[in-house]
Amino acid sequence: DAGITQSPRHKVTETGTPVTLRCHQTENHRYMYWYRQDPGHGLRLIHYSYGVKDTDKGEVSDGYSVSRSKTEDFLLTLESATSSQTSVYFCAISESLGGLGTEAFFGQGTRLTVV
Amino acid sequence: AQKITQTQPGMFVQEKEAVTLDCTYDTSDPSYGLFWYKQPSSGEMIFLIYQGSYDQQNATEGRYSLNFQKARKSANLVISASQLGDSAMYFCAMRRETSGSRLTFGEGTQLTVNP
Repeated sequence: DAGITQSPRHKVTETGTPVTLRCHQTENHRYMYWYRQDPGHGLRLIHYSYGVKDTDKGEVSDGYSVSRSKTEDFLLTLESATSSQTSVYFCAISESLGGLGTEAFFGQGTRLTVV
Repeated sequence: AQKITQTQPGMFVQEKEAVTLDCTYDTSDPSYGLFWYKQPSSGEMIFLIYQGSYDQQNATEGRYSLNFQKARKSANLVISASQLGDSAMYFCAMRRETSGSRLTFGEGTQLTVNP
């Protein structure tokens, strides 16, 4: 199994509070991703990183920010949590070698509930 | 805009029979890769199979095969000899040459294998 750890695994937070989810990898892969999974929408890309301090927005980036100060850590921050951000969040990693055919490996997911 | 379409929210199949899960995609990139992932009820994402746009033959991995019809922009997953453990959500995904490392997912198909 790829070495990816998401923390926390479960979190309940109140509307308006900031929340940070952490993704830690031990594979030294270049690319890291944050997705959210909601019924009827599949997995939607929030942000991704293609190197230390190199990040870009995905299709649902509003209300989220990310940081990657080290190869192994990719943080997702909900600046002011809203109920619409209740979801399951997945981190994924992918190496740069292999080009288009390189599969992504996923963490176990974080279930976030905003009340 | 969604680039991957899975039109079957739910599918049912009898144990030991074959089943086809549909996936169509939209891209003008000449080079792209298509992936299928399995998500059992436990929640983890499992990579199943990959097809490159320039691959001459359809990809196969054990009981999984990919029916790739480039002109129709479809990449259907065929599971032969279904097993009860195949019951899961299945996601089609695409990585396009012009999208860098981004991996875009469809909405998923929930497969149920009946004994």
